[in-house]
Amino acid sequence: AQSVTQLGSHVSVSEGALVLLRCNYSSSVPPYLFWYVQYPNQGLQLLLKYTSAATLVKGINGFEAEFKKSETSFHLTKPSAHMSDAAEYFCAVSTGGSYIPTFGRGTSLIVHP
Amino acid sequence: NAGVTQTPKFQVLKTGQSMTLQCAQDMNHEYMSWYRQDPGMGLRLIHYSVGAGITDQGEVPNGYNVSRSTTEDFPLRLLSAAPSQTSVYFCASRGGRGTDTQYFGPGTRLTVL
Repeated sequence: AQSVTQLGSHVSVSEGALVLLRCNYSSSVPPYLFWYVQYPNQGLQLLLKYTSAATLVKGINGFEAEFKKSETSFHLTKPSAHMSDAAEYFCAVSTGGSYIPTFGRGTSLIVHP
Repeated sequence: NAGVTQTPKFQVLKTGQSMTLQCAQDMNHEYMSWYRQDPGMGLRLIHYSVGAGITDQGEVPNGYNVSRSTTEDFPLRLLSAAPSQTSVYFCASRGGRGTDTQYFGPGTRLTVL
């Protein structure tokens, strides 16, 4: 069985501030982890993914995430928020044997000028 | 590649009406799935398919039917629409490996009056 918990349904930051979106997972076998982004009135698109190579993964638009097995975490960060980063962010977990990834409930990122 | 396409983009139904939401992908993906997205609930899996002729229920299957006669198409049928089915519906497809990215369609916004 696999599951994902995203801490905080809403995160608010000022433009230029650090972005930190939290994701913790549960999996009985080695996981594959994903972050997806959903801009208003659009479908989800892949931001980055961890597939058991490097534990620090870089994605699009300056985002990165670090896989920490000891903490069962895969938090998403960006050093400096931009207004265009305002969106819904979803963490997801998959394994080699799973047909469909399991998604978290999402975190809405709000960026203030 | 068009990726994952969904039609229609918007639909208004009256209670008791039936309709089919269309989904197609041109990436030769084995796995396809349907989600609904409601405020505060994240993405909830309705039905999924692991190949032509094979479908299974997800988290919230009641009131919906699916079929998968071809690799490309995965329509979702609402048998007798209810106001509780007012939602945004997303179709997604994915290759057969745990590391593969889930690709999403642009969504269908459905309102049931």
